[in-house]
Amino acid sequence: AQSVSQHNHHVILSEAASLELGCNYSYGGTVNLFWYVQYPGQHLQLLLKYFSGDPLVKGIKGFEAEFIKSKFSFNLRKPSVQWSDTAEYFCAVNALGNAGNMLTFGGGTRLMVKP
Amino acid sequence: GAGVSQSPRYKVAKRGQDVALRCDPISGHVSLFWYQQALGQGPEFLTYFQNEAQLDKSGLPSDRFFAERPEGSVSTLKIQRTQQEDSAVYLCASSSSGTGGYTFGSGTRLTVV
Repeated sequence: AQSVSQHNHHVILSEAASLELGCNYSYGGTVNLFWYVQYPGQHLQLLLKYFSGDPLVKGIKGFEAEFIKSKFSFNLRKPSVQWSDTAEYFCAVNALGNAGNMLTFGGGTRLMVKP
Repeated sequence: GAGVSQSPRYKVAKRGQDVALRCDPISGHVSLFWYQQALGQGPEFLTYFQNEAQLDKSGLPSDRFFAERPEGSVSTLKIQRTQQEDSAVYLCASSSSGTGGYTFGSGTRLTVV
């Protein structure tokens, strides 16, 4: 079975700082990769996804992620964070061929951006 | 509506009580998933429906957990004889194709006292 690791549980940054959140997964086959964001009091929302093609994926709100197959990683980046990026971020993997194509989530990273 | 709707938003149950959690997926979405999110953790898969067929229930933690989707739209997750360890947020997600990028509901926060 696949698993997803997010190395940083809590990250605190000042506005305009650069962000990189780590995500590693364990699965030897073909995967689809996702980052979800959960703002305080809101539901999970899709930030970006990778299915195939260019390993550098651009999502909403200036976020991007790079799939590095050799490292089984899909790190999330943003060059300059804003206070409104304060949220919890979840990396998720969908192993193709897995019954139901269900998502396996990492434990999440809670980001706090100080104004 | 435009999104996935879950009810109730909050549920407090006494230990041993049965509860039923409802999910209204986006109209026409074939795939429906239930996840359990414990405090401070990521969502964990419970079960999956394709239309009315429950194709995977490998994530249900015990036989006290039961899910159904009889007409291929609304789904209900039932927990019998609730225990304190059942306290969590229960998330429902739907997808038109089941290949990812699901739309999640706001969840039901269950507290067992």
